[in-house]
Amino acid sequence: AQTVTQSQPEMSVQEAETVTLSCTYDTSESDYYLFWYKQPPSRQMILVIRQEAYKQQNATENRFSVNFQKAAKSFSLKISDSQLGDAAMYFCAYRPRGGQGGSEKLVFGKGTKLTVNP
Amino acid sequence: DSGVTQTPKHLITATGQRVTLRCSPRSGDLSVYWYQQSLDQGLQFLIQYYNGEERAKGNILERFSAQQFPDLHSELNLSSLELGDSALYFCASSVGELGNQPQHFGDGTRLSIL
Repeated sequence: AQTVTQSQPEMSVQEAETVTLSCTYDTSESDYYLFWYKQPPSRQMILVIRQEAYKQQNATENRFSVNFQKAAKSFSLKISDSQLGDAAMYFCAYRPRGGQGGSEKLVFGKGTKLTVNP
Repeated sequence: DSGVTQTPKHLITATGQRVTLRCSPRSGDLSVYWYQQSLDQGLQFLIQYYNGEERAKGNILERFSAQQFPDLHSELNLSSLELGDSALYFCASSVGELGNQPQHFGDGTRLSIL
């Protein structure tokens, strides 16, 4: 079974600084997708960024970027120029490729709580 | 706004009772997923429906059941409630079942068992 591990329960960063959240996963699949979701105090689950395993290029969405190391099964999230609104729980998630009649549910890590200090 | 609507937002009930949580997926989405978020178990997949058919089950208790109706809305039924069932229940939807089709989450239903 696939598992996702986030080893940092909590992280903090100064406003305008850069922070990196770690995520590792375990799978025997070669094709899959990885996601970072953000859950602010409002408790919504907001998709931040996604990465396709067959793409070597790291995904980027504005101030958010990932460092995807397929061989190491590592998928870290870098937040640049941190803003107060970035404070939230961040969840790393894995999803199989799908298309073979099976359910492609998300498998989540336990989350990292990010605090942004003014 | 994700386009996924969950009702009610908050539900308070007692042990032994039964409740129904409702989810309306985004327009055009055929897949509906239910997740449970609790302090001790984190976010866990419960069950998935695709175009009215059950596709997969996760760690869903026998006291829980779900269905997806012809109009694609879904309901999660929780019965014989226990204190440990207190959690945030999310519904998510996606266009299909492929891994590259993002799941969009509703705001969740907070279930509190007294």
